[in-house]
Order: sequence, then structure tokens, then C-alpha cells
Amino acid sequence: NAGVTQTPKFQVLKTGQSMTLQCAQDMNHEYMSWYRQDPGMGLRLIHYSVGAGITDQGEVPNGYNVSRSTTEDFPLRLLSAAPSQTSVYFCASSYDGRQPQHFGDGTRLSIL
Amino acid sequence: QQQVKQSPQSLIVQKGGISIINCAYENTAFDYFPWYQQFPGKGPALLIAIRPDVSEKKEGRFTISFNKSAKQFSLHIMDSQPGDSATYFCAASLSNYQLIWGAGTKLIIKP
Repeated sequence: NAGVTQTPKFQVLKTGQSMTLQCAQDMNHEYMSWYRQDPGMGLRLIHYSVGAGITDQGEVPNGYNVSRSTTEDFPLRLLSAAPSQTSVYFCASSYDGRQPQHFGDGTRLSIL
Repeated sequence: QQQVKQSPQSLIVQKGGISIINCAYENTAFDYFPWYQQFPGKGPALLIAIRPDVSEKKEGRFTISFNKSAKQFSLHIMDSQPGDSATYFCAASLSNYQLIWGAGTKLIIKP
């Protein structure tokens, strides 16, 4: 009963480096999303997907790319890391897409 | 107009007391209002949710009160327990799948 699995749990990057945050779910959910959580700001939607092959931008998409080639996986790519992208990143999935119900435990990302 | 304003930022309640967290919104297009609970090092977990055609929803010790005319909703935790200590987020949903989140309330229940 894995639910939503995010890897890695922690990562330190240098400015300008690229990396991919992985997210996988085993609940056959169509809807998946990526959020960032910063102190005192709640969660902000980066990108979301309503099914394989379909993605769309959320509130703060700049500097991030996503793709959805399978129902299970929804990776988030940082193209050229910047210190402003230091944050905790959460992936979520939902059966009906109306609202995220299942969150992973997050990736804590620091960019120096 | 897209904001959801949550208060207080932090809250300390004695064990057995009532914890109350408030949220306010401006956009009348919001049509779904969930509350999430988050423990340190974990992702948020859906606690309870309400739609604007209902004024109150209760699940165990947790109750959402919704005031459509005032554009406010609140979470009440009755008989608060130390295990309820967590960060609570209100949110509001539009039909385009986007959730707008409040800034969170850190709740501490003192034994």
C-alpha cells in the first residue's frame, strides 16, 4: 500500500544545476499535481495533469517542466536551479481530480 | 481575489478545549472548501471538506462551519487532544482543479 512515493527525500543542488524530482502513485489516479511549500505561504500549485499525456500550468510554473507519459508517474524537472526554488516539494494524486487527496511525504530541496 | 486568508498563524489550546481556526475568501466562484492536517515531515492529509450549499459538516470531533454570506469558514476541533497538534490548512477549490491554500495554522495542544 505505497500510495504516493516521492524521491529523493532530500537534495542539495548548486545554482544552475538541473534535476528531476520523481513521483509515482499506485492507486490508478488520473489526476496528479506538484506543489511547493514555503514557510508562511501554504502550498502553491506548480503543474498538474488530468491524465497521461495531458499537463497544465498552475500558479507558479516558471522554472519547472513536467510530463506525464504513464498514469503512474509524474516527474518534475528543474531546468536551471535557482536559490528561489529552495522549498519543500509535494506531489499529490486524486481519483476525481476535484481536489488532491493523497500526498507524498515531500522532497526537501536546497539550492546553494 | 484568489486568496484564502487563514488565522491565527499559531494557536495553543489546553487538552480537552476547543480549537478554532478561521478562513476567509473573496472569490464567490470557489465551490469546495477542504481542510488539511499536516504533521512534521509528512505531506498534508485531507481532514474534512464542505460545499457552500451546506452550513455545517461534522465528522467525529471535527466540524466545519460555513457562512456563505460572510465568505468565511472555520474548523472547530472539540475535546482537543495532544495528538491533534499539527499544522492545519484551509483551502478553496475552483472547478479548474486548482486549490488555493491558506497560509496554515500551527496548533499545539498542551497536556
